[in-house]
Amino acid sequence: NAGVTQTPKFQVLKTGQSMTLQCAQDMNHNSMYWYRQDPGMGLRLIYYSASEGTTDKGEVPNGYNVSRLNKREFSLRLESAAPSQTSVYFCASSFTGSVGNEQFFGPGTRLTVL
Amino acid sequence: LAKTTQPISMDSYEGQEVNITCSHNNIATNDYITWYQQFPSQGPRFIIQGYKTKVTNEVASLFIPADRKSSTLSLPRVSLSDTAVYYCLVGASFYGGSQGNLIFGKGTKLSVKP
Repeated sequence: NAGVTQTPKFQVLKTGQSMTLQCAQDMNHNSMYWYRQDPGMGLRLIYYSASEGTTDKGEVPNGYNVSRLNKREFSLRLESAAPSQTSVYFCASSFTGSVGNEQFFGPGTRLTVL
Repeated sequence: LAKTTQPISMDSYEGQEVNITCSHNNIATNDYITWYQQFPSQGPRFIIQGYKTKVTNEVASLFIPADRKSSTLSLPRVSLSDTAVYYCLVGASFYGGSQGNLIFGKGTKLSVKP
């Protein structure tokens, strides 16, 4: 049981390049999330998906797109990377049941945009 | 949106009890209060979650007063390995229906000294 996995672990891009961050979970969770974390800041929600086939914007969605490919996978795409998108990106998942919303996080992707 | 306020940092010594308070004046009726722990270069990890009064598990206790405008995470007898950033999260709805308004505070950096 791997939990939440993310690929790649590290990535360096040039301004204007595109890339997709991959996330997968094997816990049969219905909700998945993408966060970014900048130095000295807390985590900020980019997009989330409450169930397969649905996605919604979080606090900082500009410059990103997401795809909920199936129940297991939720990808984050940067179409034209900018230096302001240099950050650590975390994917998370949860089972949205009747009591709260405990989230399980992946190990993160450290992205640098030059 | 229910934002949170926490102390930026706290120091403690091994064996002491540590209490970290989070202020959330605009908490909604259906919101839960959740605390996460994050070590450097890792994703956050769920510690404890509660709605009102007191919740205790094997690692921590969570105290929530009747007005729910604040909460206190209590770590008994901390060790060096408890050195981490602790986040207070408000917004996980009771029935898991409003994931979009999840907001992490900036966190409290706890340093445990020998």
